[in-house]
Amino acid sequence: EIVLTQSPGTLSLSPGERATLSCRASQSVSSSYLAWYQHKPGQAPRLLIYGASSRATGIPDRFSGSGSGTDFTLTISRLEPEDFAVYYCQQYGSSPETFGQGTKVEIK
Amino acid sequence: QVQLQESGPGLGKPSETLSLTCTVSGASISANYWSWIRQPPGKGLEWIGYIFYSGSTNYNPSLRSRVTMSVDTSRNQFSLKLSSVTAADTAVYYCVRRDCSGGSCGWFDPWGQGTLVTVSS
Repeated sequence: EIVLTQSPGTLSLSPGERATLSCRASQSVSSSYLAWYQHKPGQAPRLLIYGASSRATGIPDRFSGSGSGTDFTLTISRLEPEDFAVYYCQQYGSSPETFGQGTKVEIK
Repeated sequence: QVQLQESGPGLGKPSETLSLTCTVSGASISANYWSWIRQPPGKGLEWIGYIFYSGSTNYNPSLRSRVTMSVDTSRNQFSLKLSSVTAADTAVYYCVRRDCSGGSCGWFDPWGQGTLVTVSS
């Protein structure tokens, strides 16, 4: 099973700042089969990125994904008030499909 | 617009079987893979497994001995049964579409709103 480790656990930033979230895999994720989700309390998680760098439909271009192998990054170029949430990475390159433990982006 | 809605009892007793159903609207269940994912209170997301409309399945090995998924194409629904539940199975359960594009599959979009299932005597 591929273990995904996200860092930091919590990111305290102000609106307008840049957020950089890391997701490190315990072994290489084949074909960059990695996705990112945004999760707000009481809501369903929302797909942001799949294939490591492809934005999902309707996702603003301030969200971008990069990386390959074992190291992946989600970048939010300028934080909007609605971006404060928990973010999860997920790999689907090998079964079982696994999630990271999440990074909380909170208002500083 | 594809929408998913979970339904089922919100409370179960230890050793019983948890049963949930997901109703899909806006898409045919015969066109995709469908998954269940859960989130225990205060914890992260755990993939339970997925099912194709044909009935083929892939379950998380950690739950495989207790999980059964099924599809009802006539009702555009898919279901989850989790047997011998304990308090550790208390979680918000989400039904989701396991999406595909360009020959690759595996990300989850969209998600149902989730339903809290509490296991307690």
